[in-house]
Amino acid sequence: GQQVMQIPQYQHVQEGEDFTTYCNSSTTLSNIQWYKQRPGGHPVFLIQLVKSGEVKKQKRLTFQFGEAKKNSSLHITATQTTDVGTYFCADPIGGSARQLTFGSGTQLTVLP
Amino acid sequence: DGGITQSPKYLFRKEGQNVTLSCEQNLNHDAMYWYRQDPGQGLRLIYYSQIVNDFQKGDIAEGYSVSREKKESFPLTVTSAQKNPTAFYLCASSVDGSSGNTIYFGEGSWLTVV
Repeated sequence: GQQVMQIPQYQHVQEGEDFTTYCNSSTTLSNIQWYKQRPGGHPVFLIQLVKSGEVKKQKRLTFQFGEAKKNSSLHITATQTTDVGTYFCADPIGGSARQLTFGSGTQLTVLP
Repeated sequence: DGGITQSPKYLFRKEGQNVTLSCEQNLNHDAMYWYRQDPGQGLRLIYYSQIVNDFQKGDIAEGYSVSREKKESFPLTVTSAQKNPTAFYLCASSVDGSSGNTIYFGEGSWLTVV
């Protein structure tokens, strides 16, 4: 079954505020991926983190992988309306099928 | 344009009927996947295939069947045995089935049972 837990499930922010979503696992992850799904759309790959303590940035998005490789976070600085969507973390070897297993996602709403 | 094409985009099915969702990719990827997404929830793996003529069950395979006769095609049949088939179905592919490969998704197919 699912191995990664994601919080919060929903987040409403005012445009310009920051946003963070967290992904936690009870087991050590080999790596973790993050995807974004716009409303009515399909998930799109954002990034993959592999190394313990790794931090990667994409413009206003900052991704972190915990030192123990059991948690990860995505932080968005100064949100914009284009950031609206659901953000998923994914464990590449999760689930009974040992294939990519997605967290439940955090649905972000940005109020103008 | 390279990518993954799913059809139909929207499909209505009567209870007791089988329905087949099409998925074609021209990315020359070896691995293909089917995921199910229910409103407000994450994605759950139905079936995956790492190579032609081979496929494996995912976490929720009951009531579904697949085939992989060609590298570029991975159709999903939702059978009448699937108790709650109304959902958003996503086909995906990756270079191969190795951990860490990026997965590319199609646009998805909305299936509604009436």
